[in-house]
Amino acid sequence: QVQLKETGPDLVQLTQTLSITCTVSGFSLTTYNVHWVRQPPGKGLEWMGAMWNGGGTDYNSAFKSRLSISRDTSKSQVFLKMNSLQTDDTAKYFCARPSHRRGGGYYFDYWGQGVMVTVSS
Amino acid sequence: DVVLTQSPATLSVTPGERISLSCRASESVDTYLHWYQQKPNESPRLLIKYASQSISGIPSRFSGSGSGTDFTLSINGVELEDLSIYYCQQGNSLPFTFGSGTKLEIK
Repeated sequence: QVQLKETGPDLVQLTQTLSITCTVSGFSLTTYNVHWVRQPPGKGLEWMGAMWNGGGTDYNSAFKSRLSISRDTSKSQVFLKMNSLQTDDTAKYFCARPSHRRGGGYYFDYWGQGVMVTVSS
Repeated sequence: DVVLTQSPATLSVTPGERISLSCRASESVDTYLHWYQQKPNESPRLLIKYASQSISGIPSRFSGSGSGTDFTLSINGVELEDLSIYYCQQGNSLPFTFGSGTKLEIK
C-alpha cells in the first residue's frame, strides 16, 4: 500500500528556514520519484520540485536558490528545505508520487495529507 | 512555463446536470493533461489522466477530452458529492503547472 506522510513545523518565523520530511512506504525511492507541491490558503496548487529516482533533482525557478530537496533512501524519506521564508510562503505543503508512461506525461496519483505551515513575523 | 487557464472560475450547477469545464494551455501539451478533484481540507484526487483516460475507482460520469491546447472535463449528471474544486495539470514539461481551478457550487 503506497503511503506518503509529511511532517514538519506548524509555525516558522519570518526569514527562517523551513524543513519538512516526507516519509514514504509501499515503494522504493530508488524506483519512484517524489515531488513537492504547495497550496496557499484558498489558492491553487504550485509545483515546487522533484527528487528523481536516480537521485537527481529539479526545481521550479520561482523558488530561485531558496529551495533544496534531498533524500535518505535507507529511511525512505525525502526532505524539503526552503530558506528566507516570507509570509507568502504560508501554505500547505504536499509530497506526491507521480507516475508516467514511457515518453513522459507525469501525473500525481498518490499524495500525502499535507502539512500546513504558517510563516509568522 | 506552460500557463493553464481554467474557465469558468466558478460554476453554479443543479444536481443531475451535464457540465463541462475548460482548461486551455499556453502551448501544446499533447495529451499530457490531467484532471484532479479537491475537496476542502483534502489532498487532490486524480480523476482523469492523459486528457481522456479513466482512473480506477472514479465514477464513470467523469470524462475528459482534448489534445494540444484545449481540454474539457465533463461530468454527466452532477451529484452533490461532486461539489469541489477541479484542477488541470500539465505533465509535458518542467516546471509542471496547474490551472487556477474551477469551483463547482450549488445553484
